Amino acid sequence: AQKITQTQPGMFVQEKEAVTLDCTYDTSDQSYGLFWYKQPSSGEMIFLIYQGSYDEQNATEGRYSLNFQKARKSANLVISASQLGDSAMYFCAMSATGFQKLVFGTGTRLLVSP
Amino acid sequence: GAVVSQHPSRVICKSGTSVKIECRSLDFQATTMFWYRQFPKQSLMLMATSNEGSKATYEQGVEKDKFLINHASLTLSTLTVTSAHPEDSSFYICSARDIVAVKGLQAFFGQGTRLTVV
Repeated sequence: AQKITQTQPGMFVQEKEAVTLDCTYDTSDQSYGLFWYKQPSSGEMIFLIYQGSYDEQNATEGRYSLNFQKARKSANLVISASQLGDSAMYFCAMSATGFQKLVFGTGTRLLVSP
Repeated sequence: GAVVSQHPSRVICKSGTSVKIECRSLDFQATTMFWYRQFPKQSLMLMATSNEGSKATYEQGVEKDKFLINHASLTLSTLTVTSAHPEDSSFYICSARDIVAVKGLQAFFGQGTRLTVV
């Protein structure tokens, strides 16, 4: 079984600062994918970044980067230069390769202040 | 990125009635779609996996007779909440995988449907 743990229910950051959202995972699969999604108050799920278990380099997408430490089973999201529009819920998720279902963590609510 | 359209975005229905929610992939074909449920301030929980042309696979604890899923084409899956009760009030959201996407493991989500049963 797969499990995602997000231990930070809420995080605060000032505008233009960087913030790290933690995510650890547990799986017996050798091949898997890790995802981060942003969910604003409107409810839609916005894909941010993906990391494959065999990817040697950390994934980056604009201001988002994923700090992947396979041995520690962690996949932390780093948001650089935070913006007010980054305030939202952030979910870490994983799936087995071949993309079956996504298993989500409990989420972290990020609040960016001016 | 690919677009998944979910309709309606909000629905209020009376207890005992049925509600149908549609999930469409607008610019790609999706052999598999997923239906999730999210209670307020909680995470997304997978309800079922919808496969085109075959029966849906339900997660443990999800009543298949209450949550009817139909995936009649490569671009449309529907979730029908039958004989809805107030405890079925929730946020329902679908996702689909683009089978030929460059980032093949990325899932695209619909906008979600907020169901309120009164």
